[in-house]
Amino acid sequence: AQKITQTQPGMFVQEKEAVTLDCTYDTSDPSYGLFWYKQPSSGEMIFLIYQGSYDQQNATEGRYSLNFQKARKSANLVISASQLGDSAMYFCAMRALLRKYIFGTGTRLKVLA
Amino acid sequence: EAGVTQFPSHSVIEKGQTVTLRCDPISGHDNLYWYRRVMGKEIKFLLHFVKESKQDESGMPNNRFLAERTGGTYSTLKVQPAELEDSGVYFCASSQEGLQPLHFGNGTRLTVT
Repeated sequence: AQKITQTQPGMFVQEKEAVTLDCTYDTSDPSYGLFWYKQPSSGEMIFLIYQGSYDQQNATEGRYSLNFQKARKSANLVISASQLGDSAMYFCAMRALLRKYIFGTGTRLKVLA
Repeated sequence: EAGVTQFPSHSVIEKGQTVTLRCDPISGHDNLYWYRRVMGKEIKFLLHFVKESKQDESGMPNNRFLAERTGGTYSTLKVQPAELEDSGVYFCASSQEGLQPLHFGNGTRLTVT
C-alpha cells in the first residue's frame, strides 16, 4: 500500500529564517515521484518542487529544496529565508508509475514578522 | 499555455438537488484527475481519466457521483442527488504522462444545505 505522512499539522517560523516541513512515504514501487504543493488562503494548489526516486541529487527550486533520504523514505521540504507570503498550507504528494497521486494531510505554515 | 479551469468556482445547492462541475484540463494532458477536500481534511482521490477512459474510479464514494470525459477533452462531475456530506472543495488536475506534476484548477467549492 502507498502512504504519505505529514506529522506536523502546524508550524511557525520567523521571517527570514529557514523551516523544514516533514514528509515520509511508503511504497514498494521502485519508481516514483515526490511532489510538494502550496495552498495559500486563496485556495489554489501551486506546484513547488519534484524529486524522482532515481534522482541522485536533491531537487532545488529557488528558495525551496527537497531533502530526499531514500533509505529513510523521507522527502522533507526546506524553505530558506522565509517570507510572509510563504504562509500557507503545504502538501506532500507521491505518485508511483501507473498509480494515482496520493497526498498527505498537510502542514499549515505561519511566517511571523 | 492556459491552465486548468474549473466551473463554477462556487455552488450552493439544497440537499436532493443536482450539481454538475466542469473541468477543462491543460491542452495535451491526457491524464485528468478529480480530488475532493472536505472541511480542511486530506485531499482525497476520486477518479482518474486517461483520455476518455476511466483508469481508476476507486475513490468515487457512491453511485450518486458520475464523471465523464467525452472525447478526452473536458470532464464533468455530476452529483445527483446531493447530500450534506458532499460539501467540500472539488479539485480537478491534469498531467502529462509519467511522473509529472499535477496541475490543479482553482477548485469548485460546493455547499449542500
